[in-house]
Amino acid sequence: KAGVTQTPRYLIKTRGQQVTLSCSPISGHRSVSWYQQTPGQGLQFLFEYFSETQRNKGNFPGRFSGRQFSNSRSEMNVSTLELGDSALYLCASSSVGRGAGETQYFGPGTRLLVL
Amino acid sequence: DAKTTQPPSMDCAEGRAANLPCNHSTISGNEYVYWYRQIHSQGPQYIIHGLKNNETNEMASLIITEDRKSSTLILPHATLRDTAVYYCIVRDQAGTALIFGKGTTLSVSS
Repeated sequence: KAGVTQTPRYLIKTRGQQVTLSCSPISGHRSVSWYQQTPGQGLQFLFEYFSETQRNKGNFPGRFSGRQFSNSRSEMNVSTLELGDSALYLCASSSVGRGAGETQYFGPGTRLLVL
Repeated sequence: DAKTTQPPSMDCAEGRAANLPCNHSTISGNEYVYWYRQIHSQGPQYIIHGLKNNETNEMASLIITEDRKSSTLILPHATLRDTAVYYCIVRDQAGTALIFGKGTTLSVSS
């Protein structure tokens, strides 16, 4: 079974621009979570989508948004990019996202550099 | 905040067992212990998880103390490819977010 895929793998943007990142979960998985990893803050939870609905949200400004499609693929968008948004953005999928022993599987990430 | 405490770094000789400790003294009855590892700039890789019993899979063993306040991840025969940051995470059944701490950087040398 194919793993979680993320596109693009690398991205360079300038301040003020917006960016859209894509994630395809493992086949059959309906929950997709997004995380941001920076050297200073480590790995932090952004939000989780299940059945096209945002079910959980971390402590990030409204510039960070996402959506999920009927095939469970997900996108996240960052508007008005700031230098501090430079990070590795990780997507993780799981069957239903919660429940006994539910496991999240991560993709390789998208590395975003904001200049 | 992360509910676990791990040593920042550990060293291990290739071929020897690597034993990575984790303290989770505030763990509650319905919370699982998960272990992930992250090799430089890659996505975290799931290793193993458990509730109260010891668990073993093809990658590692997880030993959870009887009071569940601590656990140990064991890599039985460490190789150079096991050099990574290892994260111990406590997660309840209802939660979806994984709360990562700083993890333990394991360095395996020949």
